[in-house]
Amino acid sequence: DAGVTQSPTHLIKTRGQHVTLRCSPISGHKSVSWYQQVLGQGPQFIFQYYEKEERGRGNFPDRFSARQFPNYSSELNVNALLLGDSALYLCASSPGTGTYEQYFGPGTRLTVT
Amino acid sequence: DAKTTQPPSMDCAEGRAANLPCNHSTISGNEYVYWYRQIHSQGPQYIIHGLKNNETNEMASLIITEDRKSSTLILPHATLRDTAVYYCIVRVPSLLPGANNLFFGTGTRLTVIP
Repeated sequence: DAGVTQSPTHLIKTRGQHVTLRCSPISGHKSVSWYQQVLGQGPQFIFQYYEKEERGRGNFPDRFSARQFPNYSSELNVNALLLGDSALYLCASSPGTGTYEQYFGPGTRLTVT
Repeated sequence: DAKTTQPPSMDCAEGRAANLPCNHSTISGNEYVYWYRQIHSQGPQYIIHGLKNNETNEMASLIITEDRKSSTLILPHATLRDTAVYYCIVRVPSLLPGANNLFFGTGTRLTVIP
């Protein structure tokens, strides 16, 4: 079975621009979570979706938004990019019930210049 | 959720057991201990979890003290590929489906030395 896939792998944006990151979960997983990892720190929780509904939101500004589609894939959108948004963005999928066992994708490396 | 404390870094000789400690002195009775690791430039990887009994799987063993205030992740025969940041996370089981997000600290950077 394919693991969690994310696209693109890398991208470079300019301050003020908008970016969309995409994630496809493991087949059969109904929950997708997004994390931001700044260099030298652990991943920080941004959003979690289950069955297209938001199940959790971390302490991030409203410039960050996400959605989940009927096929359980997900998009993370970031508006008005700041230099501080440069990070590795990780997507994780899970069956969504009970366990905290999540499966992470390789991440998207975003650089804002 | 209980706060965890881990040493920032550890070294281990290749082939020896790596014992990674985690302190969670404020853990409550229904909180589970989860361990993840992150190899450089990859996403985190689930290793093992437990409530109060010791657990073992193909990757590692988890030893939880009787008072549950601390735990140790054991990699029985460390290899160079085990060099990674190891995260100890404590979480209460969620009653709401799909609400199982994780809160990572800074973890322990384990370096396996040839």
